[in-house]
Amino acid sequence: QVQLVDSGGGVVQPGRSLRLSCTASGFTFSSYSMHWVRQAPGKGLEWVAIISFDGSKKYHADSVKGRFTISRDNFTKTLYLQMNSLRAEDTALYYCARGGVAFDAWGQGTLVTVSS
Amino acid sequence: SYVLTQPPSVSVAPGQTARITCGGDNIGSKSVHWYQQKAGQAPVLVVYDDSDRPSGIPERFSGSNSGNTATLTISRVEDGDEADYYCQVWDRGGEYVVFGGGTKLTVL
Repeated sequence: QVQLVDSGGGVVQPGRSLRLSCTASGFTFSSYSMHWVRQAPGKGLEWVAIISFDGSKKYHADSVKGRFTISRDNFTKTLYLQMNSLRAEDTALYYCARGGVAFDAWGQGTLVTVSS
Repeated sequence: SYVLTQPPSVSVAPGQTARITCGGDNIGSKSVHWYQQKAGQAPVLVVYDDSDRPSGIPERFSGSNSGNTATLTISRVEDGDEADYYCQVWDRGGEYVVFGGGTKLTVL
């Protein structure tokens, strides 16, 4: 079955960096675009970034542009989110999601807390 | 950027019909997708392309989209339908994603 496992979250100080990972199984990872979506505590869903199936195209939300970078490794079936210059407002549960017409598979989320 | 507007909350008695709206400028020209998120869980796709259901989603879930409003309709509401519901579209030529603010469905 399709499975996405998010990891890499933790507590980090403002201005520091963190890299999230999402490991895929149960489907042909290299055939799908992939996304990161986040959810601040008690808030709604916020799209963060998309990467095309082959990694050639990447787009990031205005709120993270220039600080976050999405990437992927199709050999290891892993999606990444490199987060630099973290701010308190980046505190959220981060989900990876399989793309296509809509997000038909989601990871369980990994929690990032930005606090001094 | 494109904005999607949802009511913060909708309440309905068991067995009745719940309608959750998603407003946007000429949203009828876009494809709308809906997600259900139960407390402490990841979102689940319940309707895509305005009105199609993924496998495993009950027929009680349906969608429509016209003009400036898309609607998720849940017929014969059950206690297990209590959740937050989000609408979603693509923006900027399909390069960016927009979510609505979410609607909390309460089953009375």
